[in-house]
Amino acid sequence: DAGVIQSPRHEVTEMGQEVTLRCKPISGHNSLFWYRQTMMRGLELLIYFNNNVPIDDSGMPEDRFSAKMPNASFSTLKIQPSEPRDSAVYFCASSLDTRGYTFGSGTRLTVV
Amino acid sequence: GESVGLHLPTLSVQEGDNSIINCAYSNSASDYFIWYKQESGKGPQFIIDIRSNMDKRQGQRVTVLLNKTVKHLSLQIAATQPGDSAVYFCADLSGGYNKLIFGAGTRLAVHP
Repeated sequence: DAGVIQSPRHEVTEMGQEVTLRCKPISGHNSLFWYRQTMMRGLELLIYFNNNVPIDDSGMPEDRFSAKMPNASFSTLKIQPSEPRDSAVYFCASSLDTRGYTFGSGTRLTVV
Repeated sequence: GESVGLHLPTLSVQEGDNSIINCAYSNSASDYFIWYKQESGKGPQFIIDIRSNMDKRQGQRVTVLLNKTVKHLSLQIAATQPGDSAVYFCADLSGGYNKLIFGAGTRLAVHP
């Protein structure tokens, strides 16, 4: 298995633009997580899906952030409009119930 | 204004020495714990896990100890190597379902 695949690896965008981050979880995993990592706040859980259904989005910072999981093999995290304070590394992770938590390589987002 | 970054505690060790990285957790209901290693520019990588019905688990050069009485977790790395230099995170299943919550992390610096 290729592991959790995220794209793009790096994204630089201007303030106010829409940004879409993508994630392909490990085949067979039923849970998917989006995390954000910054120097200020460390690793924060943004949202968590189980069987493609959002279970807990309490970590999503604002309405500008939205996430979808249209099927078991794909998820997106969208920021619209983006702001400089959204600059961070965004990680996607997947698991099969409570086993095999695996992280992707992350998307480094810079909003200028 | 000046920004203040997350201050990670740093453990500095000599190559070949044993390292012990500590972690405290707050939720007495947590029943599953994972240690992750994160190298610069990469996503967190699974090292070892332990369930609450155990107090010790060993892997290759790593041992995790769990003390549920004081809610403390430690990661021991034997014969530390330069390649072990990274930030180490403990994470626990907290808040229900299989939502993984991370601690702040400890930076391990291995000197030749």
